[in-house]
Amino acid sequence: EIVMTQSPATLSVSPGERATLSCRASQSVSSNLAWYQQKPGQAPRLLIYGASTRATGIPARFSGSGSGTEFTLTISSLQSEDFAVYYCQQYNNWPQTFGQGTRLEIK
Amino acid sequence: EVQLVETGGGLIQPGGSLRLSCAASGFTVSSNYMSWVRQAPGKGLEWVSVIYSGGSTYYADSVKGRFTISRDNSKNTLYLQMNSLRAEDTAVYYCARAYYDILTGAYYFDYWGQGTLVTVSS
Repeated sequence: EIVMTQSPATLSVSPGERATLSCRASQSVSSNLAWYQQKPGQAPRLLIYGASTRATGIPARFSGSGSGTEFTLTISSLQSEDFAVYYCQQYNNWPQTFGQGTRLEIK
Repeated sequence: EVQLVETGGGLIQPGGSLRLSCAASGFTVSSNYMSWVRQAPGKGLEWVSVIYSGGSTYYADSVKGRFTISRDNSKNTLYLQMNSLRAEDTAVYYCARAYYDILTGAYYFDYWGQGTLVTVSS
């Protein structure tokens, strides 16, 4: 099973600033990496797939990069609605596995 | 518009059984890979099971032999039969469509239901 490790666990950023979230895989997952946003009481929402492709309707301030074992999600200018928990997920192999999440909070 | 609506959660005693349903609209369940993913209270996401469009099924080791995924094509509905429930099965259970990534040949979760809470407790 591939282990996904996200850092940091919690990130405090001011609105309008840039946020950078990291995700590392225990072995190569190629570009089969997705990012999800989850707000309290809601289901996860797909943001990025293929490591860098934005899902339908996702604003351009969200961008993903990386391949192999190292990945990054960048939110260029934080809006109030962006404060949430973010999960990375590898879908290169079954079982698909998720990181433990990064909580993005208002500074 | 794609929609997934889960039902069937509730409070159940350890050792009991429960069947979750996920009614889909806007696409055909049998033509897609469909999964169940769960989230224990305050915890992260854990993949539980998948059913391929061809009917093959796979499970996480934590539920293998106790849970069964299935679908009813006439109702366009996905199911999760959960037997021998344990306290550690307590979670919100989401159904999700696994969509084919044409560039990589792999499947990611593009649509999720709102989830149904299963609480295993005496």
